[in-house]
Amino acid sequence: NAGVMQNPRHLVRRRGQEARLRCSPMKGHSHVYWYRQLPEEGLKFMVYLQKENIIDESGMPKERFSAEFPKEGPSILRIQQVVRGDSAAYFCASSPDRASYEQYFGPGTRLTVT
Amino acid sequence: DAKTTQPTSMDCAEGRAANLPCNHSTISGNEYVYWYRQIHSQGPQYIIHGLKNNETNEMASLIITEDRKSSTLILPHATLRDTAVYYCIASLQGGSEKLVFGKGTKLTVNP
Repeated sequence: NAGVMQNPRHLVRRRGQEARLRCSPMKGHSHVYWYRQLPEEGLKFMVYLQKENIIDESGMPKERFSAEFPKEGPSILRIQQVVRGDSAAYFCASSPDRASYEQYFGPGTRLTVT
Repeated sequence: DAKTTQPTSMDCAEGRAANLPCNHSTISGNEYVYWYRQIHSQGPQYIIHGLKNNETNEMASLIITEDRKSSTLILPHATLRDTAVYYCIASLQGGSEKLVFGKGTKLTVNP
């Protein structure tokens, strides 16, 4: 069973461009979480999604950021008009259902905004 | 979510037990104590969790005090590969809600 997959692993964008980060959860997992880790800081929750639904987006910045988890395909975290402060590692995690206890994390996408 | 406090850093000799403390004095009765670790900017890795009883798995042991205000993660025979940041998290049920990560403890295992 393959683990959580994220791509790209490294992404470089110029200020003002769009960044799209993809997350494929583990097989059979229908819950996806996105976390952001700024340089030298801890991980911060961004958003929690189930298939086609956003369950908790309390950690998402109000502007420029959006997330989706369609019925088919990976979850996408989209950042529009990136700024230097968006440079961070973005981690995706998945879990099988509401009764599970642990979240399985992917290797992360390192976003660098130049 | 209950706030947890951990020492910033700890050192341990290779082959010895590493005991990582965590205070969670405001934890509620139905919150679990979770431990995750992050090895050098990789994705965090689940280690263990518990509610009231002590727990053990192939990676570690978790000792929770009777009043549940603190806990200790024990790595019985630390190796160099255990060098990581260890996070103690209080959560209602980690598989269905966000995890609130603090700053964690940077454990350095020395040869």
